[in-house]
Amino acid sequence: DAGITQSPRYKITETGRQVTLMCHQTWSHSYMFWYRQDLGHGLRLIYYSAAADITDKGEVPDGYVVSRSKTENFPLTLESATRSQTSVYFCATSVTSASSYEQYFGPGTRLTVT
Amino acid sequence: GQNIDQPTEMTATEGAIVQINCTYQTSGFNGLFWYQQHAGEAPTFLSYNVLDGLEEKGRFSSFLSRSKGYSYLLLKELQMKDSASYLCAVRGSGTYKYIFGTGTRLKVLA
Repeated sequence: DAGITQSPRYKITETGRQVTLMCHQTWSHSYMFWYRQDLGHGLRLIYYSAAADITDKGEVPDGYVVSRSKTENFPLTLESATRSQTSVYFCATSVTSASSYEQYFGPGTRLTVT
Repeated sequence: GQNIDQPTEMTATEGAIVQINCTYQTSGFNGLFWYQQHAGEAPTFLSYNVLDGLEEKGRFSSFLSRSKGYSYLLLKELQMKDSASYLCAVRGSGTYKYIFGTGTRLKVLA
């Protein structure tokens, strides 16, 4: 049972290039999230999705695009990468049970924009 | 505005007890979470509080006071493997958006 996977795990790209980070889950959890983690800022929400074809902005959405055509996949695209987007990106899922709303995080993608 | 405050760093000795505090000011409240994150790894869920009081889970306990906007994570019988960052997060009411604090880096010394 793979759970939640992210690819690639490491990526180096140049300023101005488009790059897509992939997130895949095998649990069929309704909610999926994208965060970035930077020193001094902690985890910041970029976008989240309540179900297939339903997405909403988080705290820092500018420069990012998401889609969710299937429940299990939630790709994050940087349309024109900038150095300020160098970060560690985490995908997460969440169940919608009444007892808890804990999130399950993928292993992360370390992105460097040169 | 929305804000979560935690100490940046704490140090404790193996076998001791440590309390990590978290204060929050958010627009609405629907639960407070604690996550553990080892260096270079993903966060993992530790505890969830939505009502006032203490939740205990083995060596870890978490306390919440909604009226004070305050929570703490208590770690007992510290072990070297507890050296990690501890993240406090709040979920707003009527939303699945989570706000995270910047985390507390705990060092456990032998």
